[in-house]
Amino acid sequence: GENVEQHPSTLSVQEGDSAVIKCTYSDSASNYFPWYKQELGKGPQLIIDIRSNVGEKKDQRIAVTLNKTAKHFSLHITETQPEDSAVYFCAALTGGYQKVTFGTGTKLQVIP
Amino acid sequence: GAVVSQHPSRVICKSGTSVKIECRSLDFQATTMFWYRQFPKQSLMLMATSNEGSKATYEQGVEKDKFLINHASLTLSTLTVTSAHPEDSSFYICSARDSGGETQYFGPGTRLLVL
Repeated sequence: GENVEQHPSTLSVQEGDSAVIKCTYSDSASNYFPWYKQELGKGPQLIIDIRSNVGEKKDQRIAVTLNKTAKHFSLHITETQPEDSAVYFCAALTGGYQKVTFGTGTKLQVIP
Repeated sequence: GAVVSQHPSRVICKSGTSVKIECRSLDFQATTMFWYRQFPKQSLMLMATSNEGSKATYEQGVEKDKFLINHASLTLSTLTVTSAHPEDSSFYICSARDSGGETQYFGPGTRLLVL
């Protein structure tokens, strides 16, 4: 089955700096890669996603890149703000749309 | 759009009792819903996948007789924790996927505490 690894597990950045979270996946058949933000005591919230036919996608301060050959994808947050502090999960969905495999999560702390 | 609700948000029960958690897709039809369990500082662990009108598919190691899942309509799935014990205390989260889509939308979660 699919295996998703995520790094780093914790990340502290100064407000205004950029944050990068990286994930790798094992199943070359995976073709959809969402990113979720989870605040304490809440459910995960979809923040951006990318499909395997696209190399990069951007939405305001958030961008995601995908390298299918290397089987890794990354989340980039620019101009970080304290409200960006949360746990971020990457995920991979294998063709057939049956279920999503999540990474282990990255706790991002933005220091004011 | 794409809102998923869960009820209750928090529940405390005595050991041996059963607890039902509801998951609703408010503005879309969800042919597939998922139930996850999350321990503190850990990732989401998929418990089961439910398709509307059919039996749920449970992940390895999840007791189907203990965690009863019903997906009777395109907007509602329920998880019943039967004969709950303290080790069942956890954060339970549902998600829903719209018909023909890839994206899962998550509910706000239910905190279960079994005394």
